[in-house]
Amino acid sequence: EAGVVQSPRYKIIEKKQPVAFWCNPISGHNTLYWYRQNLGQGPELLIRYENEEAVDDSQLPKDRFSAERLKGVDSTLKIQPAELGDSAVYLCASALTATDTQYFGPGTRLTVL
Amino acid sequence: DAKTTQPTSMDCAEGRAANLPCNHSTISGNEYVYWYRQIHSQGPQYIIHGLKNNETNEMASLIITEDRKSSTLILPHATLRDTAVYYCIVRVWSSGGSNYKLTFGKGTLLTVNP
Repeated sequence: EAGVVQSPRYKIIEKKQPVAFWCNPISGHNTLYWYRQNLGQGPELLIRYENEEAVDDSQLPKDRFSAERLKGVDSTLKIQPAELGDSAVYLCASALTATDTQYFGPGTRLTVL
Repeated sequence: DAKTTQPTSMDCAEGRAANLPCNHSTISGNEYVYWYRQIHSQGPQYIIHGLKNNETNEMASLIITEDRKSSTLILPHATLRDTAVYYCIVRVWSSGGSNYKLTFGKGTLLTVNP
């Protein structure tokens, strides 16, 4: 069974530029999460989806971050404009339902110059 | 979620058992203990979870004390590929709650030496 797929794996941009990350969850998983992991820290939740509905986006910086999960499968996380402090690894995870075990993708490492 | 306390780092010899401790003294009755690990430049990998009883799978064993205030993850025969940061997380198991996120700490860096 294929795991969570993320792309790109690495992205380098200049500050003030837009950037987007894509996630394809494990087939059949209704719940999708986006986490951010700063260097030397554990991942922190940004947003949780149940199917196509964002049910917890309280930690998402809404002034510059946006996310969508059209059709309740793939998801895109966008930053516009990016700031130096956004440099981090962005992780996507999925689960059958919200109470089930989460499985993570490999992450996208973002470097903002 | 209850807070967890883990040592910052540990070493283990290849082929020996690695025992990773975790304190969660404020754990509640409906909170599960989850373990994930993160190998360098990869996403976190699920290892095992448990509520009260000891659990074992193909990767590891989880020993939870009777009072549930601490637990130990055991890798029976550590290999070099087990070098990673190991996260112990306490998570509420409730369909009506809102704590579906995993609250990661800094974890334990386990280094398996040849």
